Amino acid sequence: GAVVSQHPSWVICKSGTSVKIECRSLDFQATTMFWYRQFPKQSLMLMATSNEGSKATYEQGVEKDKFLINHASLTLSTLTVTSAHPEDSSFYICSAQDGQVNTEAFFGQGTRLTVV
Amino acid sequence: GENVEQHPSTLSVQEGDSAVIKCTYSDSASNYFPWYKQELGKRPQLIIDIRSNVGEKKDQRIAVTLNKTAKHFSLHITETQPEDSAVYFCASGGSYIPTFGRGTSLIVHP
Repeated sequence: GAVVSQHPSWVICKSGTSVKIECRSLDFQATTMFWYRQFPKQSLMLMATSNEGSKATYEQGVEKDKFLINHASLTLSTLTVTSAHPEDSSFYICSAQDGQVNTEAFFGQGTRLTVV
Repeated sequence: GENVEQHPSTLSVQEGDSAVIKCTYSDSASNYFPWYKQELGKRPQLIIDIRSNVGEKKDQRIAVTLNKTAKHFSLHITETQPEDSAVYFCASGGSYIPTFGRGTSLIVHP
């Protein structure tokens, strides 16, 4: 199957700093990627839909100025958590589909963010 | 938008027993229903999926059934093994954006 690579797999940062997470589709082009946040023992909460060449679509309640998404190419989307605070600590995971509607979602490895 | 309900949230079985996880969805236009398995600290991975033109699909010990009229679909795991222990998510693909259920933590006791 297709491969989605996410980096870093874990990061620890100080409060007030920004952290960038990358999501790459390695062997296919993804015009759309999805960013999720997952709390322990909970489901995948969709944060935003990243569209190549255009602005991301954010879900209700997600601050677009805090979670900056850039999808500059067909294989790369980035999520930047700006001015991170301890409450932003979570597991962030991206996914992409191989260009077609209603097909398997391929997930990145996820990023464990800890803000201290 | 689509609403997916998943039950139970936790399921504990003995090795060798069967496990059933159920999901309901709201969007009658949904036509793609995948199931993902997520082991602790790892990414979700597709284990089986079904499209609306069939009512059942089987892959070894795993099967999925779909009732479009009632808008529900289920995951069946037979002869469970300890390595089946994980969180299982159902999803509904009514539009381009998949909607996930809340997840079921399956625990298989040896």
